[in-house]
Amino acid sequence: DAGVIQSPRHEVTEMGQEVTLRCKPISGHDYLFWYRQTMMRGLELLIYFNNNVPIDDSGMPEDRFSAKMPNASFSTLKIQPSEPRDSAVYFCASRATADLGNQPQHFGDGTRLSIL
Amino acid sequence: GDSVTQMEGPVTLSEEAFLTINCTYTATGYPSLFWYVQYPGEGLQLLLKATKADDKGSNKGFEATYRKETTSFHLEKGSVQVSDSAVYFCALSDHGNTDKLIFGTGTRLQVFP
Repeated sequence: DAGVIQSPRHEVTEMGQEVTLRCKPISGHDYLFWYRQTMMRGLELLIYFNNNVPIDDSGMPEDRFSAKMPNASFSTLKIQPSEPRDSAVYFCASRATADLGNQPQHFGDGTRLSIL
Repeated sequence: GDSVTQMEGPVTLSEEAFLTINCTYTATGYPSLFWYVQYPGEGLQLLLKATKADDKGSNKGFEATYRKETTSFHLEKGSVQVSDSAVYFCALSDHGNTDKLIFGTGTRLQVFP
């Protein structure tokens, strides 16, 4: 089975530009999570969806960040305008509903974002 | 709120040495506990899990026992290999909201031949 698929794997862009990160969750999974990983702050949950509906976006750092999930097989995380401090590895993860507390999250390989 | 504390890294070992990575947690109720591993350039992968007190999770020679009395979930392996070099994350499911995982800061393991 295909895992969580993220694109692009690497993105380098200049500050001020719009950045769009993409994620395809595992088929049948109805939870989708966006994380950011940096050396300074570790792994941070930005937002998560259940059945395509955003449930908790309290981790989104500011209004420059937005996330959408138009259908069960696709989600985007957008940064506009981007800033150098947004440089990080962004991970998407998905999970199935059954047995809520015990189901593991499955992570994609991440997008390494560098804002110059 | 719920939290996870891991030992600082890096942990540096020779091949075939015994490994312990400490993890303690603070939580209300009875969370599920997990260890994830992250190899260079990859996402996190579930290594093992335990869902209730005294459960032992195990996988690929790694083990961890859910200790409620000491609120710990230490990761152990009897004989590490170079291929075990990675970052290891302890995590718990938030009892108040089991949708989310709360991760520790990660511990880097370096194994040398």
